[in-house]
Amino acid sequence: AQKITQTQPGMFVQEKEAVTLDCTYDTSDPSYGLFWYKQPSSGEMIFLIYQGSYDQQNATEGRYSLNFQKARKSANLVISASQLGDSAMYFCAMREGRGNTPLVFGKGTRLSVIA
Amino acid sequence: DVKVTQSSRYLVKRTGEKVFLECVQDMDHENMFWYRQDPGLGLRLIYFSYDVKMKEKGDIPEGYSVSREKKERFSLILESASTNQTSMYLCASSLGQASTDTQYFGPGTRLTVL
Repeated sequence: AQKITQTQPGMFVQEKEAVTLDCTYDTSDPSYGLFWYKQPSSGEMIFLIYQGSYDQQNATEGRYSLNFQKARKSANLVISASQLGDSAMYFCAMREGRGNTPLVFGKGTRLSVIA
Repeated sequence: DVKVTQSSRYLVKRTGEKVFLECVQDMDHENMFWYRQDPGLGLRLIYFSYDVKMKEKGDIPEGYSVSREKKERFSLILESASTNQTSMYLCASSLGQASTDTQYFGPGTRLTVL
């Protein structure tokens, strides 16, 4: 069974609008972390934001925020005020347990920002 | 800043060749990882290592081996390259055992096997 599900293969958003990228996860481990990465056309994976399973508040980093709904096992990425440079692939990932456990990735969502 | 470098951005090899993909990180990270990325499949873990000379199989280790003789270097080896190993290969590293440790990625190697 997939541990990370990203149901939107592709999305379009108008410049300056907000957009939500969906991510649901599956784990029975009470200790886990959720990560979002951006991959522009250059190919490099860029870390955006992290949410721990015990964190009480939703994570925020600049224009990125994470809508963490633990009971629903969802960790959606919200990008506010979209910019043309936000056009990229976005991957949700999860780590269960300790830090030397590899991240498990979803299949990604391709976001296209339209002027 | 953490820097993860990979030996080549683009590589073209012939079927049956032995291929070495090198990855070096400069931040004294304990853990290193090799993923391959294919359209529609996301990133899939090939092998990882949490210490020198230690290695663990990931989800798709068949056809690959790894070597970690020094802490900063993690090599992925295709013993006999095949066309189905044409892919983007991404190396990553992370600091230690804290659950918050981020994985930092290299720029990737796009390998074509003819």
